[in-house]
Amino acid sequence: KAGVTQTPRYLIKTRGQQVTLSCSPISGHRSVSWYQQTPGQGLQFLFEYFSETQRNKGNFPGRFSGRQFSNSRSEMNVSTLELGDSALYLCASSPQGALYGYTFGSGTRLTVV
Amino acid sequence: KNEVEQSPQNLTAQEGEFITINCSYSVGISALHWLQQHPGGGIVSLFMLSSGKKKHGRLIATINIQEKHSSLHITASHPRDSAVYICACQIGDNNDMRFGAGTRLTVKP
Repeated sequence: KAGVTQTPRYLIKTRGQQVTLSCSPISGHRSVSWYQQTPGQGLQFLFEYFSETQRNKGNFPGRFSGRQFSNSRSEMNVSTLELGDSALYLCASSPQGALYGYTFGSGTRLTVV
Repeated sequence: KNEVEQSPQNLTAQEGEFITINCSYSVGISALHWLQQHPGGGIVSLFMLSSGKKKHGRLIATINIQEKHSSLHITASHPRDSAVYICACQIGDNNDMRFGAGTRLTVKP
């Protein structure tokens, strides 16, 4: 059974650019959530998508957005990148929500220069 | 004050020692999760608790809802247990999580 796949694994972008990260959940999982991890702030919840709808959102600026497709694959987009956006971005998938168990991807490490 | 506090921040143990990592929280939760993160970033979900105690191999997790406190115990620790352990509090029936800062565990042979 394939796990949660995040692409790309590593990314280097310049300030002001935008970036799109992808997350393919485990087959049959309808919930995908996104997290940001930085040395200073630790892990923080970004948002969760369930059946193509954003179900919950953390406390991040509007530059951070996401979407989910009908096959449950999800993308997150960060526009107008800032140096502080450098982080490990993790997604996790679950059948319906974390109370039903969830699995993390390996993450995308974004560096903004 | 952070909503989720973990202690200790760093822990070094000798192989075979009994390890305890603590997590205290101030938010209302639907469940508490213990996560393990190895160098390189991959995160593994170890336990999900809403009450009582769970055991998996050498790992035991407990939660006291009234005291808003959870502990993760590792018996007979091994160098392969070296990792960062993160406590995560789930808010509601979705993936809104509040995370502790993590405990970096190093087990020496």
